[in-house]
Amino acid sequence: DGGITQSPKYLFRKEGQNVTLSCEQNLNHDAMYWYRQDPGQGLRLIYYSQIVNDFQKGDIAEGYSVSREKKESFPLTVTSAQKNPTAFYLCASSYRDRGQETQYFGPGTRLLVL
Amino acid sequence: SQQGEEDPQALSIQEGENATMNCSYKTSINNLQWYRQNSGRGLVHLILIRSNEREKHSGRLRVTLDTSKKSSSLLITASRAADTASYFCATDANQAGTALIFGKGTTLSVSS
Repeated sequence: DGGITQSPKYLFRKEGQNVTLSCEQNLNHDAMYWYRQDPGQGLRLIYYSQIVNDFQKGDIAEGYSVSREKKESFPLTVTSAQKNPTAFYLCASSYRDRGQETQYFGPGTRLLVL
Repeated sequence: SQQGEEDPQALSIQEGENATMNCSYKTSINNLQWYRQNSGRGLVHLILIRSNEREKHSGRLRVTLDTSKKSSSLLITASRAADTASYFCATDANQAGTALIFGKGTTLSVSS
């Protein structure tokens, strides 16, 4: 099966704890993205990476960190500096075909604070 | 920096009726896309319309784009209960180093 996977489906974080959300794709896409979605809201971009070993901050990067050591993987760490981490986190990957980009999304990880 | 703004925020219709959602954006785009999200799931790409296109069809979906008004509409004809979902527009400026920008979405509820 080709696709994009996220794990875990649910994640609980204690005060002061860093947690890492996994995102893996086997679509051979160069670009990968992390979004945060709050109830009834749209998607806000946290970080994105258009090539291995390179990434850029999105609109709400504070309190988050990422790495892109492999093309297939783009893990997101929610650090203790992120004071309101409860949200639904979506990972996506994309390719450009004749200048047009389409994003493919994973199933999401719901992060809850204990 | 959300560029797309969907209207209405929520829409409730009966099965068999048509559903129309609108999206407005602020800057020049290369294309505009519509995505669908079932509750608690990831987004799924529905349709892409290029900036030089005015209308596009895919099954029961019809998308229009008016670049002079910086707006797009998504029409779902003969709606079904399974169409119940949130629908998002996303704009692509096709500039190096930029990403798609998503709106806040329209939540569609189709009752049988």
